[in-house]
Amino acid sequence: SAVISQKPSRDICQRGTSLTIQCQVDSQVTMMFWYRQQPGQSLTLIATANQGSEATYESGFVIDKFPISRPNLTFSTLTVSNMSPEDSSIYLCSVRDRERHEQYFGPGTRLTVT
Amino acid sequence: GESVGLHLPTLSVQEGDNSIINCAYSNSASDYFIWYKQESGKGPQFIIDIRSNMDKRQGQRVTVLLNKTVKHLSLQIAATQPGDSAVYFCAENTYYGQNFVFGPGTRLSVLP
Repeated sequence: SAVISQKPSRDICQRGTSLTIQCQVDSQVTMMFWYRQQPGQSLTLIATANQGSEATYESGFVIDKFPISRPNLTFSTLTVSNMSPEDSSIYLCSVRDRERHEQYFGPGTRLTVT
Repeated sequence: GESVGLHLPTLSVQEGDNSIINCAYSNSASDYFIWYKQESGKGPQFIIDIRSNMDKRQGQRVTVLLNKTVKHLSLQIAATQPGDSAVYFCAENTYYGQNFVFGPGTRLSVLP
């Protein structure tokens, strides 16, 4: 299975500011995803991070709020822009093995917006 | 749209007993399923997967059962241990599909 790391692991931010979360994978992967998990809830897909092109966003999520970069097959960033307390969540990076179809998650970034 | 749900939001079992966590899915086109375990403060951990050409798959102390007729999935944990305490999610997709749909999760508490 892929080993996924995220930075930062947690942060407390003031409303109106932005935070960039980094995701690093120990092997080249075709498919990378960003999820949000609000307190006590399940996982919601924000977007698919496409290497060399714009991310594909799910309904309810927009690029201006959650810009994503994916410069290569092992790294991606998610920015949470102009934060409000409603953005307080765990943000999870995920990758899928194209051949085996298994999907793995990073440890998450716990964001609190005050 | 498609949804994946769970019958029991919480489950308490005695240490050493077997646990059964259930999941219902509504998309009859789904043919690939994964169970995840999420411990407090951690990301979801892949436990076991199953494709729709199987109705049972076993791992170490875990078994996943798939009943396509009633669109039902279950995770069985044998000899439940304190370290099994976590929230368990089922996720469904088509095998070559883009996105998984996650269920709401079941919290498993193991009692001493």
